Amino acid sequence: DAGVIQSPRHEVTEMGQEVTLRCKPISGHNSLFWYRQTMMRGLELLIYFNNNVPIDDSGMPEDRFSAKMPNASFSTLKIQPSEPRDSAVYFCASTRQGGQTQYFGPGTRLLVL
Amino acid sequence: DAKTTQPTSMDCAEGRAANLPCNHSTISGNEYVYWYRQIHSQGPQYIIHGLKNNETNEMASLIITEDRKSSTLILPHATLRDTAVYYCIVRVPSNQGGKLIFGQGTELSVKP
Repeated sequence: DAGVIQSPRHEVTEMGQEVTLRCKPISGHNSLFWYRQTMMRGLELLIYFNNNVPIDDSGMPEDRFSAKMPNASFSTLKIQPSEPRDSAVYFCASTRQGGQTQYFGPGTRLLVL
Repeated sequence: DAKTTQPTSMDCAEGRAANLPCNHSTISGNEYVYWYRQIHSQGPQYIIHGLKNNETNEMASLIITEDRKSSTLILPHATLRDTAVYYCIVRVPSNQGGKLIFGQGTELSVKP
């Protein structure tokens, strides 16, 4: 299996622009998680889905962030408008429903200027 | 979820056992102890987890004290590639809504 796939791997954008991060979970996994990692705050859970349905979005920082999972093999995390404080590494992870092990993707490194 | 306390950093000589401690004195009866690690510039990687009994797999061993208030992750023969940040996490099972909440972890440096 290819593992969790994230794109792009690196993104540089200007403040105010829309940013879309993409994730393809491992085939057969039906839980998907979005995390953000910064030096100041460490690794934080933003939102997670079970069977394409958002279960807990309490970690989403504000209305500028939105996440969707239109089908079992694809999810997006969108930031609109982006701000410099959104600069971070964003990780996607997946697991089988009820599974105890989360498998993480390589991350997207976002820099907002 | 219960909080954990880990040393900020540790060193280990290559080939020797690395013993990484974790305190979780407020752990509840149904909470598991998980260990993940993050090698620089990569996503976190699952290592091992346990509830009460000691566990061993191809990567590591997990020793949990009888009162479950602390645990130790053991890498039996550390290599340079084991240099990473190691996270100890306690959580209820995912089918009970448990989430992974990462702390600051222990930065392990394996030296030649």
